[in-house]
Amino acid sequence: DQQVKQNSPSLSVQEGRISILNCDYTNSMFDYFLWYKKYPAEGPTFLISISSIKDKNEDGRFTVFLNKSAKHLSLHIVPSQPGDSAVYFCAAGEGSSSNTGKLIFGQGTTLQVKP
Amino acid sequence: DTGVSQDPRHKITKRGQNVTFRCDPISEHNRLYWYRQTLGQGPEFLTYFQNEAQLEKSRLLSDRFSAERPKGSFSTLEIQRTEQGDSAMYLCASSPGSGTNTGELFFGEGSRLTVL
Repeated sequence: DQQVKQNSPSLSVQEGRISILNCDYTNSMFDYFLWYKKYPAEGPTFLISISSIKDKNEDGRFTVFLNKSAKHLSLHIVPSQPGDSAVYFCAAGEGSSSNTGKLIFGQGTTLQVKP
Repeated sequence: DTGVSQDPRHKITKRGQNVTFRCDPISEHNRLYWYRQTLGQGPEFLTYFQNEAQLEKSRLLSDRFSAERPKGSFSTLEIQRTEQGDSAMYLCASSPGSGTNTGELFFGEGSRLTVL
């Protein structure tokens, strides 16, 4: 049961344009969401997060949008730079009184930004 | 460097052999996680420690897998009688636990296992 899904395995955009990466989830108990970036031969690194009580969070060139009714979130990168080329993972966590902090990851989307 | 460190970075072994991976988390973090990542997939949760207590194990963690965190600091993940299907990147992550604003886990660079 894939609780977090990234249906686009890859995305290619031109430098300077907007990159939009999408993520869908099925578990309504998730109450925080994160995006990670991963370069080859490195571990995932945290990019940006959003709580379920918000619908938007912005950090520099990166903005995450959350649509709870659609169980959908997206990451916007504006403007895209060649150094943004990496695999992007969407992840979700469930908060509760026994919160483990465990994250459930999507399959990843490979972003290529062309100069 | 005070990040999460993992050792070895790459292990090649023959089917049936035992392997052990070590993870040193960020020193003040009391939570430690093991994940496995295969080609084309995202990291999959294996197990989680709060200090020295192993509090959750995924059904992915067969009885050939064992993880320990004896003093609540570093952790080891042992795979006995390795199979080719065990070939993957094994990722360790840590977090400070409750009070984290973002829910972020801090990942190491991973230990890649190749079973021949």
